[in-house]
Amino acid sequence: QKEVEQNSGPLSVPEGAIASLNCTYSDRVSQSFFWYRQYSGKSPELIMSIYSNGDKEDGRFTAQLNKASQYVSLLIRDSQPSDSATYLCAVNMFRSGAGSYQLTFGKGTKLSVIP
Amino acid sequence: GAGVSQSPSNKVTEKGKDVELRCDPISGHTALYWYRQSLGQGLEFLIYFQGNSAPDKSGLPSDRFSAERTGGSVSTLTIQRTQQEDSAVYLCASSLGPPGPGETQYFGPGTRLLVL
Repeated sequence: QKEVEQNSGPLSVPEGAIASLNCTYSDRVSQSFFWYRQYSGKSPELIMSIYSNGDKEDGRFTAQLNKASQYVSLLIRDSQPSDSATYLCAVNMFRSGAGSYQLTFGKGTKLSVIP
Repeated sequence: GAGVSQSPSNKVTEKGKDVELRCDPISGHTALYWYRQSLGQGLEFLIYFQGNSAPDKSGLPSDRFSAERTGGSVSTLTIQRTQQEDSAVYLCASSLGPPGPGETQYFGPGTRLLVL
C-alpha cells in the first residue's frame, strides 16, 4: 500500500485560475505535512508546511489539512505560468522499525499553467 | 546564509566503477539525509544521519551503497560497482534538528548520475 498518494497529472489550468492539488496519506498519526515545488531539472523547494487541521495561507498559496480524512491539499490562487512545476506532497511518518521519523514523499503532481 | 551544497553536479561513469558524491549541509544543521530520485519517480529515502549517532541505513537499496558523515558535517555517499539502474539524481537535505513533527528539510541542488 502506497503511503502518500498524489494524482500524477498533468493538471492544466488557465492563467489566473485556481489550481487545486490533492494528497492522501496512510499513517493516521502523522502530524507534519509539507508541500515542495520542483521545477524540471531542479531540486525540491519548500513552499508550505502545515501541522493543524484547517487552512494555512501564505500569499497566493493555501494549504488545507483534514486529519480525520487523511487528506492535505494545496490551492494556488491567480495561477501564473511560473507556477508550472511538479508539486510534491511530503508527510513526516514515524517508522517503528527505525525508531525515528522519516519524510515520505508522494510522486508529485505536474502542474501546467496555460498563458 | 548558504544552503545545502552538493558536488559534483553531474557525474558520468562506466558500469562497474565506484563513485563518490559529496554533500555539505547548512551550517548548524544536525540532521543530514540522502535521497534518490529516478526519472518520473518520487523521492526515495536512502540514509539519515543525526549528529554523532549511528545512521539510519534502512533505505539503502543494496550493500553497494554506503555513506559516512565526518565531524558531524560533510557527508559522502559512495556507490561501488555502479550499475545502470543506479542512474538517478541523488539529493541531499539537512534539517536543524532530528526529523520529527515540525522539522523542515532543505534540499541541495542534487548530483545527476549517469551510469553507461
